[in-house]
Amino acid sequence: DTGVSQDPRHKITKRGQNVTFRCDPISEHNRLYWYRQTLGQGPEFLTYFQNEAQLEKSRLLSDRFSAERPKGSFSTLEIQRTEQGDSAMYLCASSPRSSGGYNEQFFGPGTRLTVL
Amino acid sequence: AQSVTQLGSHVSVSEGALVLLRCNYSSSVPPYLFWYVQYPNQGLQLLLKYTTGATLVKGINGFEAEFKKSETSFHLTKPSAHMSDAAEYFCAVTRSGGSYIPTFGRGTSLIVHP
Repeated sequence: DTGVSQDPRHKITKRGQNVTFRCDPISEHNRLYWYRQTLGQGPEFLTYFQNEAQLEKSRLLSDRFSAERPKGSFSTLEIQRTEQGDSAMYLCASSPRSSGGYNEQFFGPGTRLTVL
Repeated sequence: AQSVTQLGSHVSVSEGALVLLRCNYSSSVPPYLFWYVQYPNQGLQLLLKYTTGATLVKGINGFEAEFKKSETSFHLTKPSAHMSDAAEYFCAVTRSGGSYIPTFGRGTSLIVHP
């Protein structure tokens, strides 16, 4: 396993269309995170999963956004009725099971979304 | 709640010169602190982290950072810059417990001149 992978790497869409991104974490990692990164900003947390359970969601995750992680493996992030403000880099990260302490998050290369 | 302030959106140094990237944090509980590096069109890579113990932490690629509680700082340094160090650097803080979701600073772009 070479790391976290994301697909597609780039997506251009028209305002109002739906888009879906996929993230494949490192195989033995049970935690998976989604972040959004806009130009000139650091990553902002969107949501995270432990196995298939979605444990935390940011206020940034409006009702147009939905994330799933069926069977605790890969995850998808869907944005419905895209807006120009959704244009950003969407980053996925994974980390191994926590034994009560912090475990490093490993980031994927990101999916860059451009909404025209 | 946690927050991070990175002073200077761009830092420019000559190859071989000292690198100093500044980070100040705010946290109501003992923090965990991190520095990440991001190269163009790539994800973030962890450079180093402070959780507990020794306040001077060493990371990859010759970088190190010192946790100074009294100054609420976690500045990143490298004695001698290399051209390959040119990248975006992010400081992050998380609380020492719970879900460990990091709060990132806005980033500092390091420019290295030959």
